[in-house]
Amino acid sequence: AQKITQTQPGMFVQEKEAVTLDCTYDTSDQSYGLFWYKQPSSGEMIFLIYQGSYDEQNATEGRYSLNFQKARKSANLVISASQLGDSAMYFCAMRRTTGGFKTIFGAGTRLFVKA
Amino acid sequence: DAGITQSPRYKITETGRQVTLMCHQTWSHSYMFWYRQDLGHGLRLIYYSAAADITDKGEVPDGYVVSRSKTENFPLTLESATRSQTSVYFCASSLYGRDNEQFFGPGTRLTVL
Repeated sequence: AQKITQTQPGMFVQEKEAVTLDCTYDTSDQSYGLFWYKQPSSGEMIFLIYQGSYDEQNATEGRYSLNFQKARKSANLVISASQLGDSAMYFCAMRRTTGGFKTIFGAGTRLFVKA
Repeated sequence: DAGITQSPRYKITETGRQVTLMCHQTWSHSYMFWYRQDLGHGLRLIYYSAAADITDKGEVPDGYVVSRSKTENFPLTLESATRSQTSVYFCASSLYGRDNEQFFGPGTRLTVL
């Protein structure tokens, strides 16, 4: 069965430090996409970063990078130089290429950035 | 304005009533999705649609009905609302394909009394 696991319900990080949010996934598909979304307290869902299963390089978008380890089925999000505005819920998601491109989400990690 | 909109943003209803949540996107995205978000569960897919007149079930479809007669609209109907359907509902859309992120609407907070 397809599954996304985020084992950290909550995380604290000091402002300006880096933080890693964990995500492991389970799939029998060979081709899939991995996404991270941010949900601030206002409630909207904001796309952060994408990694394709065949991409050899780890994805980066500004202060966000995705540490993709395919053999371990992990797709951890690294936020460098944390800012107070990074305090939010973060969701890892996987989009399949079979079954109509359905996307499944993890339960999320709440990040608190301390001043 | 371009984008994806949901209406209403807030809705209170009673058990047994029919409720329809509206979703409209202006990008002509082929895919549209409905999710519900509950504490501790992240987002769970209710239904999705690959194109007009093509819909399919997600993880938690029971008690919900969808239709998609036009590409831009994807309404979600609760035929007979139950308290367990109290949740925040998100509509999303994306281009065709594995590599494309989903764009989310602002959400509808539904309370069933």
